[in-house]
Amino acid sequence: DAGVIQSPRHEVTEMGQEVTLRCKPISGHDYLFWYRQTMMRGLELLIYFNNNVPIDDSGMPEDRFSAKMPNASFSTLKIQPSEPRDSAVYFCASWGRHSNQPQHFGDGTRLSIL
Amino acid sequence: AQSVTQLGSHVSVSEGALVLLRCNYSSSVPPYLFWYVQYPNQGLQLLLKYTSAATLVKGINGFEAEFKKSETSFHLTKPSAHMSDAAEYFCAVSDRNQFYFGTGTSLTVIP
Repeated sequence: DAGVIQSPRHEVTEMGQEVTLRCKPISGHDYLFWYRQTMMRGLELLIYFNNNVPIDDSGMPEDRFSAKMPNASFSTLKIQPSEPRDSAVYFCASWGRHSNQPQHFGDGTRLSIL
Repeated sequence: AQSVTQLGSHVSVSEGALVLLRCNYSSSVPPYLFWYVQYPNQGLQLLLKYTSAATLVKGINGFEAEFKKSETSFHLTKPSAHMSDAAEYFCAVSDRNQFYFGTGTSLTVIP
């Protein structure tokens, strides 16, 4: 089991640039979550998918943020244009269909917008 | 909807002392409960989970948690803190295919 795989691990870019974060969930998991973690706001749920369909995107901070899941094995979180306040660690997590199972997290992408 | 409350955003203990991190949930129907640990610059790792079997659940690294339905609590304990336990700890609840995280407790271990 390879676990949840996120790329890149680190991203440093200038404000105004487009940023794309990638996630490969665990095979067979029906749910995929995107979180953002900062010192000020802690762990925030941005959006989650069930069977590749976005279910709740109420946590997406602005229209500059978008997420897609074109198939069961891949998701992207895009920020365009990026701003310094978007600097954070972004986590992807996946979850199987049974409520008694835990979410599995990737190692995160540490994003710095200069 | 569920809510998860972790009392104390920061907890400090001396090395060798008891660790107690508190978690309360809101539902009257016992959900599934989890504790995660996050070490610096790492993702969240599952520490232990309660899924309606034994009320006392043992996890990794000597941690355990007790589910108390009457108190709607799932507190995390460890008899003797080690320096390597310094981390952020998150309590989480799963209920009807929804997942809820607490705000986290940062544990500092003082030598």
